[in-house]
Parts: sequence; structure tokens; C-alpha cells
Amino acid sequence: AQSVTQLDSHVSVSEGTPVLLRCNYSSSYSPSLFWYVQHPNKGLQLLLKYTSAATLVKGINGFEAEFKKSETSFHLTKPSAHMSDAAEYFCVVSSDSNYQLIWGAGTKLIIKP
Amino acid sequence: DSGVTQTPKHLITATGQRVTLRCSPRSGDLSVYWYQQSLDQGLQFLIQYYNGEERAKGNILERFSAQQFPDLHSELNLSSLELGDSALYFCASSVVADEQFFGPGTRLTVL
Repeated sequence: AQSVTQLDSHVSVSEGTPVLLRCNYSSSYSPSLFWYVQHPNKGLQLLLKYTSAATLVKGINGFEAEFKKSETSFHLTKPSAHMSDAAEYFCVVSSDSNYQLIWGAGTKLIIKP
Repeated sequence: DSGVTQTPKHLITATGQRVTLRCSPRSGDLSVYWYQQSLDQGLQFLIQYYNGEERAKGNILERFSAQQFPDLHSELNLSSLELGDSALYFCASSVVADEQFFGPGTRLTVL
């Protein structure tokens, strides 16, 4: 069975400093992995997606994530945080059946001025 | 704008009542998914339809039901509402098996 663990419920960084949001997964096969973002009082938006092509995936707004099979990780990074990055971020893995997505609990990213 | 629309945007009702939430998927998407997001439970998958047929069930209560119509729009029916049903309800749609596009959500408040 698949599962997703987001290692931090909250991450706080200063504007202009790097962002690291951590995600570990377990899967019995080669999964598809996603990061979604939810800004306050808004819907969910796909940030990036990994589907067994390049292990380093580039997404929107300068974010990227690296798939590391040996570590079963899919951490999200950004070199320089912007105030507009303040949001909740969800790491997601695709189920091995019925097209269901397994969601992590989310990480709230706080940007300090 | 994801192309997925949900109505209404806000809904306020009383305990014991029944409501219907509506979702129109992106053009060409055959799959529709419903999610509930509350402060204490986080994001919960409720149910998925594919081309009119139920495909997967998540943590959906028996008081809740859904359907997908021939024009592919979907409705989520919530009955015998309780205070704890107050939440954001999201609909998502997809073409491929896993990449989903989300609507803006319906905020349900049960008083």
C-alpha cells in the first residue's frame, strides 16, 4: 500500500532564503509523485509532477523537486523564497489502483519579511 | 483558472438539512473526484467517478452520495447534516489516470 509522510507540519523561512519541504513516500511500485499548493482561501494547484522520466522535476514559480528512489524521498525546494510563496503544500503519490491519489498531511510554509 | 467549476461558492444551512454541491469538470475530462477539507481532518478523498460510473470510494459517509451525469458534471449530495460536516468541499477532474485539476471549492457551514 502507498503512503506519504510530510516531515514538517510548518516551515518558516526568511524572504530570499532557500526553501526545503520534505516528503517521504512508500510504494510497492514506481509511483507518480506530485506537489500541490494551496494559497489561503484558494483551491489546490498542481506545482509539479514526477512520472519516471528525469529525476529532477521543475515546476511553476521556481520550485523543483528531486525523486530519490534509494531514499524514497521527493523533497520540494526553491532557491529563494518570496512572500507570495506563503501557502500550504501537499505531497501526493498515485495509488497502484483505481487512479486514487494518496495525500500527505500538508506543510504550511511561512515567509518572514 | 483550472477549468473546473463548482457551485455554489458558499452554502450555509442548518443541522438535519440536505444540500447538493455541483461540479463541472474541465472539457474532455472523464474522471471527477470529490474531497472534503476540514481543519481537524485535513484533506480527505471522498469518491471518484469515471464516465458516469463510480470508480473508487474513500472516507465517504453513508449520509453522503454522489453521481456523475451523461454530460459529465457531478453532484455531491449531503444529507442529515451535522455540525461536523462544515468544511470545504473540492471537486477535481482529470483525463490521465492521476494528474488532477481542482475547482475553487464550496464552503459549507452547518449551523
